[in-house]
Amino acid sequence: SQTIHQWPATLVQPVGSPLSLECTVEGTSNPNLYWYRQAAGRGLQLLFYSVGIGQISSEVPQNLSASRPQDRQFILSSKKLLLSDSGFYLCAWSFGQGNGYTFGSGTRLTVV
Amino acid sequence: GESVGLHLPTLSVQEGDNSIINCAYSNSASDYFIWYKQESGKGPQFIIDIRSNMDKRQGQRVTVLLNKTVKHLSLQIAATQPGDSAVYFCAGIGSARQLTFGSGTQLTVLP
Repeated sequence: SQTIHQWPATLVQPVGSPLSLECTVEGTSNPNLYWYRQAAGRGLQLLFYSVGIGQISSEVPQNLSASRPQDRQFILSSKKLLLSDSGFYLCAWSFGQGNGYTFGSGTRLTVV
Repeated sequence: GESVGLHLPTLSVQEGDNSIINCAYSNSASDYFIWYKQESGKGPQFIIDIRSNMDKRQGQRVTVLLNKTVKHLSLQIAATQPGDSAVYFCAGIGSARQLTFGSGTQLTVLP
């Protein structure tokens, strides 16, 4: 069966510090991968998605970037965090397009 | 653009009653819908899905109804339990083939 791992679960970082959140999927090949952010309200905002190694699509211009160095690894990064980057970050995967997404357990990021 | 939304941000029901959570979507080309449940501090969890060639699908204590004419879907939870308290999202896949999420409904089950 497929599993998705996301870490760390919580993170407190000072403004201006770098960020690296990692997500890995097991039990499948060539998944579509997604990074979402969930701010103080309840909505999920799509940040990045990837359909293959090295292929990244950005949905919202921002202070963040994403990379996919391996088939089942998706990394969310920032060179300098802003207060507004605080939120709950969720990684997800799907079989191709037009199918449901399975989410990781999320990372609670607090920028102080 | 495409949008998927929910009718009510909050819903309170008595334990044992049935819950109905509603959702509307704008894109008539949307052909796949999913309901997710998100408990506090956790990632969204798949509950049930439905494709546009169906108008009803049932799971364990949950039923999803799809009305393509008015572009509306609903999630019905039978005999609501305290463990059902969570935020519920509807999500749809349309022409962009990406999942678009609604804003969520907070369901509170009262004792």
